[in-house]
Amino acid sequence: QSALTQPASVSGSPGQSITISCTGTSSDVGSYNLVSWYQQHPGKAPKLMIYEVTKRPSGVSNRFSGSKSGNTASLTISGLQAEDEADYYCCSYAGSNTYVLFGGGTKLTVL
Amino acid sequence: QVQLVESGGGVVQPGRSLRLSCAASGFTFSSYAMHWVRQGPGKGLEWVAVISYDGSIKYYADSVKGRFTISRDNSKNTLFLQMNSLRPEDTAVYYCARGYCTNGVCFTFDYWGQGTLVTVSS
Repeated sequence: QSALTQPASVSGSPGQSITISCTGTSSDVGSYNLVSWYQQHPGKAPKLMIYEVTKRPSGVSNRFSGSKSGNTASLTISGLQAEDEADYYCCSYAGSNTYVLFGGGTKLTVL
Repeated sequence: QVQLVESGGGVVQPGRSLRLSCAASGFTFSSYAMHWVRQGPGKGLEWVAVISYDGSIKYYADSVKGRFTISRDNSKNTLFLQMNSLRPEDTAVYYCARGYCTNGVCFTFDYWGQGTLVTVSS
């Protein structure tokens, strides 16, 4: 199966909100509420930001939120801050043959 | 606190083998599924393999099936990835990650190591 589809880049000014989309198919995003989102700063390991579509791990700012509609999941970051500038990857469980798919990643630039 | 520390990366010729390790601490290692995820230079994340908490179940990405073997030693809190018949396209930073389970599906990665670089080149 192909990777999930994300925009290559998004940008926003401090204080604004942005949304990153993640489009899959009825075999992955559309079938399971097992979408997660990861933040990765340059040269660093990924960090879990959202799991099970909408849940935030302890310690993750409530400025980060997730949602899903049909085959598309979304990550919204409100009140953009400079430290939010990073790459963001979506991920979805894809069943017992493919197991898991990542999106290609979205580079967030805070202007 | 949860810590995952990978080691064993390096430069290797195509067709040769390499074994990666991931030392875990700060949690009950034997209670968690564990994964390897890789990231090619300038590329996105790619899931490689998963092993169940007790080592009885293992799954692999098609790109590494038959060449890579995931294993674990719960007595030493260590995860391994044996990589054989390496190819240039296996060049990547390899991360170990802890699996978070939802209804028995453990494909959320809640903690990651810092990664170890594997370069396959002649």
